[in-house]
Amino acid sequence: GAVVSQHPSRVICKSGTSVKIECRSLDFQATTMFWYRQFPKQSLMLMATSNEGSKATYEQGVEKDKFLINHASLTLSTLTVTSAHPEDSSFYICSARDSAGGPRSVYEQYFGPGTRLTVT
Amino acid sequence: AQKVTQAQTEISVVEKEDVTLDCVYETRDTTYYLFWYKQPPSGELVFLIRRNSFDEQNEISGRYSWNFQKSTSSFNFTITASQVVDSAVYFCALSEYSGYALNFGKGTSLLVTP
Repeated sequence: GAVVSQHPSRVICKSGTSVKIECRSLDFQATTMFWYRQFPKQSLMLMATSNEGSKATYEQGVEKDKFLINHASLTLSTLTVTSAHPEDSSFYICSARDSAGGPRSVYEQYFGPGTRLTVT
Repeated sequence: AQKVTQAQTEISVVEKEDVTLDCVYETRDTTYYLFWYKQPPSGELVFLIRRNSFDEQNEISGRYSWNFQKSTSSFNFTITASQVVDSAVYFCALSEYSGYALNFGKGTSLLVTP
């Protein structure tokens, strides 16, 4: 089956620093990837939609200057949390949509294993 | 606007009991997709099922079964003869089109005790 990786799986950083999270589709091409955030004991909330070669689309309330998204290739999207603060501590999960599509034009999407960010 | 409601926040059952997780959704779209995911303590989402709005057939996969009823906008999930390994948070989700971002419910935490 299709695999999506995230790196790192866990990161601890100091307040005020930036951290980059990578999301890779390992065996398929993904023109579109999604970034979600999950606070402890809460649901997954969509942060932004990442499109290869174009600017990301951010959900209402998500600061685009704080959460920088780059989707420079068909298999890689990165999320950079700039000037991180303790309230940014969360579980960040990406998903990637298989560009190929399947029967009846159903596009599969696959989730990465997540990155746990702790800001001290 | 789309909305997914999982009214059960936490459920606790004893092993071998059957348990049903409820999911009610709202959407104005005639075409949509419904999902169930399992999230064990590790955090990684495990895909369980996808159902499109035109397919109301119930599905059974081993101990898992799903009941999709458009008339009540529900997509309920039943685990038969629950096991300790079923303990996890279960999310119901909805998307407008295939491959689009998912709108998740708040999740139901299931605890199965021996």
